[in-house]
Amino acid sequence: ETGVTQTPRHLVMGMTNKKSLKCEQHLGHNAMYWYKQSAKKPLELMFVYSLEERVENNSVPSRFSPECPNSSHLFLHLHTLQPEDSALYLCASSQGATRFGETQYFGPGTRLLVL
Amino acid sequence: AQSVTQLGSHVSVSEGALVLLRCNYSSSVPPYLFWYVQYPNQGLQLLLKYTTGATLVKGINGFEAEFKKSETSFHLTKPSAHMSDAAEYFCAVSRETGNQFYFGTGTSLTVIP
Repeated sequence: ETGVTQTPRHLVMGMTNKKSLKCEQHLGHNAMYWYKQSAKKPLELMFVYSLEERVENNSVPSRFSPECPNSSHLFLHLHTLQPEDSALYLCASSQGATRFGETQYFGPGTRLLVL
Repeated sequence: AQSVTQLGSHVSVSEGALVLLRCNYSSSVPPYLFWYVQYPNQGLQLLLKYTTGATLVKGINGFEAEFKKSETSFHLTKPSAHMSDAAEYFCAVSRETGNQFYFGTGTSLTVIP
């Protein structure tokens, strides 16, 4: 397996469910990111994990909870979601921080539908 | 705050015609600039990026972009469109502080046979 992988690719869940999204990068990178992609909106950065820091977008609701057990794996735990949370969730990784001009490499995304 | 504007959410070109996708950014300091492409049901793939040096940057699949500081622009071009170029294109910038990309809202490119 190469690049950035995400599982599952599709997920349908009810508002009372708890589920987790998984991301794995096979590039030896040091930073990982979660983005939310909704139609007609710019990609929204949700969370950043790197060796130096964890950064959160303060507008992300607490029903989204990230976990980064090591530099290769990133999870997004979901609970009591709302229908407006339906979107494509993209994971990305980079060798270093974007302030050094580093490229982010994206996974294929998880298409989430909340009923 | 950093912002990225992509003029035209939908662009249609004939096969073989010039492709021009526009991107303008707001920044008091020249940022790092990127173009990504997204095909249906896939993640974003890097087309090209500008960090320093030559302002005309060549990328994959025949695309190129020119950084124009005076116009705060980074437009994407391709001399001759192929059917396989139909996709969503995103412009993004990052700054010399922090660890974040700022994306535009995307331009959907349709190539007409």
